[in-house]
Amino acid sequence: EDKVVQSPLSLVVHEGDTVTLNCSYEVTNFRSLLWYKQEKKAPTFLFMLTSSGIEKKSGRLSSILDKKELFSILNITATQTGDSAIYLCAVGGSQGNLIFGKGTKLSVKP
Amino acid sequence: GAGVSQSPRYKVAKRGQDVALRCDPISGHVSLFWYQQALGQGPEFLTYFQNEAQLDKSGLPSDRFFAERPEGSVSTLKIQRTQQEDSAVYLCASSFRRERGNQPQHFGDGTRLSIL
Repeated sequence: EDKVVQSPLSLVVHEGDTVTLNCSYEVTNFRSLLWYKQEKKAPTFLFMLTSSGIEKKSGRLSSILDKKELFSILNITATQTGDSAIYLCAVGGSQGNLIFGKGTKLSVKP
Repeated sequence: GAGVSQSPRYKVAKRGQDVALRCDPISGHVSLFWYQQALGQGPEFLTYFQNEAQLDKSGLPSDRFFAERPEGSVSTLKIQRTQQEDSAVYLCASSFRRERGNQPQHFGDGTRLSIL
C-alpha cells in the first residue's frame, strides 16, 4: 500500500531557529514529491521535486529529494512567526492523484 | 478567477440530508481532483477528472458519494444521506496539464462540512 510518512508530527521552535522537516515514502510508480504549507485555508504549493540531489530554494525555504533512500527534507532557516503552519508532503504516482502524509505542525514562538 | 474557488465555505447538515459542494477550478486547468481532509490528517484522494471525464473514483468511500463535471469546468461533489463520519473539509484542486503526474495541484480553501 502506498504511504507517505512525515516527522516530526509537531515542532515548537523560537524565531530565528532553523528547522528540518522530514518526509519518507513508499509509492508505486513515483513521479514527483510536493511540499505544501497549510494555514487555516488552502494548502499553498511550495516545491515540486522530481530528481534526486537537486535542491530547490525559495527565500528561507529549501528542499531536496533522495530517490534512492525514498525521502525528502524541507528546511526553513531563520524562522519567523509567519512560518507557523502545517507543512504537508505529498507524492504523485502514475495515477495522478497525490498521496499525502499527515503533516508536520510547526509553531514558531516570538 | 485567479485561484480555485469552492462554495460554500461552511456547510452544516443534519444526518440523512443530501449536500452538494461546488468547485470552480483555475481557468484552463484540465485536471480536477477532490480530496477529503479529516481533522489532524492529510488530505485523502476521492476522485479525479480530466475535462468532463471521471477517470478515477477509487477514493470515494461509498456509493453515497457522487461527483460530476459535466462541461469540463465546474465540478460538484454530492453526498447523499449524510452520516456523521462524513464531517471533514472537502478540498478541490486543479492542474493544467493533461497527462498525469508531474504537475503541481493548486487547492481551493475547501468546504468544511459538519454533520449533526
